[in-house]
Amino acid sequence: AQKITQTQPGMFVQEKEAVTLDCTYDTSDQSYGLFWYKQPSSGEMIFLIYQGSYDEQNATEGRYSLNFQKARKSANLVISASQLGDSAMYFCAMSVDRGSTLGRLYFGRGTQLTVWP
Amino acid sequence: DAMVIQNPRYQVTQFGKPVTLSCSQTLNHNVMYWYQQKSSQAPKLLFHYYDKDFNNEADTPDNFQSRRPNTSFCFLDIRSPGLGDAAMYLCATSRELGQGGETQYFGPGTRLLVL
Repeated sequence: AQKITQTQPGMFVQEKEAVTLDCTYDTSDQSYGLFWYKQPSSGEMIFLIYQGSYDEQNATEGRYSLNFQKARKSANLVISASQLGDSAMYFCAMSVDRGSTLGRLYFGRGTQLTVWP
Repeated sequence: DAMVIQNPRYQVTQFGKPVTLSCSQTLNHNVMYWYQQKSSQAPKLLFHYYDKDFNNEADTPDNFQSRRPNTSFCFLDIRSPGLGDAAMYLCATSRELGQGGETQYFGPGTRLLVL
């Protein structure tokens, strides 16, 4: 079975500081993808970053980077230079390449990030 | 800009009155998904279409149906909404199915309120 665990229900960070949101995953599949999405209070799920299980380098997208530690099965999101607009719910998600579950995204419970001035 | 569009953004319906939510995409993606997200929870996949092939999640109630008349449009029909169906409904698309790295792109969602 696939499982995503986000242990931080809420995180607080001061503007311009960096913050790490934790995500661990569990799967027996060798081929999988890891994603982070941002969901502001408006409700839209915004794709931030992707890491493939065979990617040797950590993914980066602007101020977002994914700290991928395969042996520990962790895929933490690092946001550098936080901005007030980063305040939102953040979801870690995983997809696998196995037949019957193709297409399904397994989501964690989310971390509510609050950036204060 | 290529995007996923959902209409309406807010929908109010009455208990038991059928309602249809719509989703369209300009990405020309093969796969379209419908998710239900209740307050303070993660999204839950209801079903997806790969082209015209419909795939229902095992625990999706029969009350929820979907139609995909063409590549661009997908509809979610709730035949007899109950109070427990009040939620955010998210439509998403991906270019292909699975392949590990297929990113799903979401629309802005429709908030459904059942009175």
